[in-house]
Amino acid sequence: DAKTTQPPSMDCAEGRAANLPCNHSTISGNEYVYWYRQIHSQGPQYIIHGLKNNETNEMASLIITEDRKSSTLILPHATLRDTAVYYCIVGNMNYGGSQGNLIFGKGTKLSVKP
Amino acid sequence: DGGITQSPKYLFRKEGQNVTLSCEQNLNHDAMYWYRQDPGQGLRLIYYSQIVNDFQKGDIAEGYSVSREKKESFPLTVTSAQKNPTAFYLCASRRSGTGANVLTFGAGSRLTVL
Repeated sequence: DAKTTQPPSMDCAEGRAANLPCNHSTISGNEYVYWYRQIHSQGPQYIIHGLKNNETNEMASLIITEDRKSSTLILPHATLRDTAVYYCIVGNMNYGGSQGNLIFGKGTKLSVKP
Repeated sequence: DGGITQSPKYLFRKEGQNVTLSCEQNLNHDAMYWYRQDPGQGLRLIYYSQIVNDFQKGDIAEGYSVSREKKESFPLTVTSAQKNPTAFYLCASRRSGTGANVLTFGAGSRLTVL
């Protein structure tokens, strides 16, 4: 079972920031938060990950609450090409055996509109 | 550029036939994975392999088989024993070692049983 809870869908206006929330209240101390996205009929694409601190890369920013029970993925200036299903996943950093598997739930379907 | 190549992208099969999906990576990754995705659903793990000549069953291995004779290759055979094989199949790989667990995915293979 997925260890995260995400809204099933969200809309965002083109050019505006898209803020995608994720709850992971049962996260343990050695688990990272990962975000991936999947554009229709393609393989998932890695976006960003974090453990405790906020992170930023060329694609997005990740804000993790101090208690680590929730996080927000921020796409600062959404474009039509950002329309996709976004997956929030928590995973063990010690990936031996099946622990290397990341459990992808249903994610949030983000629709960016003109 | 390094990446994962899955082939074929689309495949049609008659009931009772076995079919093999190819997955090749040139990322020098040790671990490789096969996932199945049904419409509107998350990803489910079929098989994974952490090293050449070794692989383990995932959550839904029944009706599937794999081999890992080379580091670069992890083919998946969908056998006639798989009761509902129509799905989108995704191959992934990751580097070994400690730290964050970032998966790289192929573009997927869509199998339709006629």
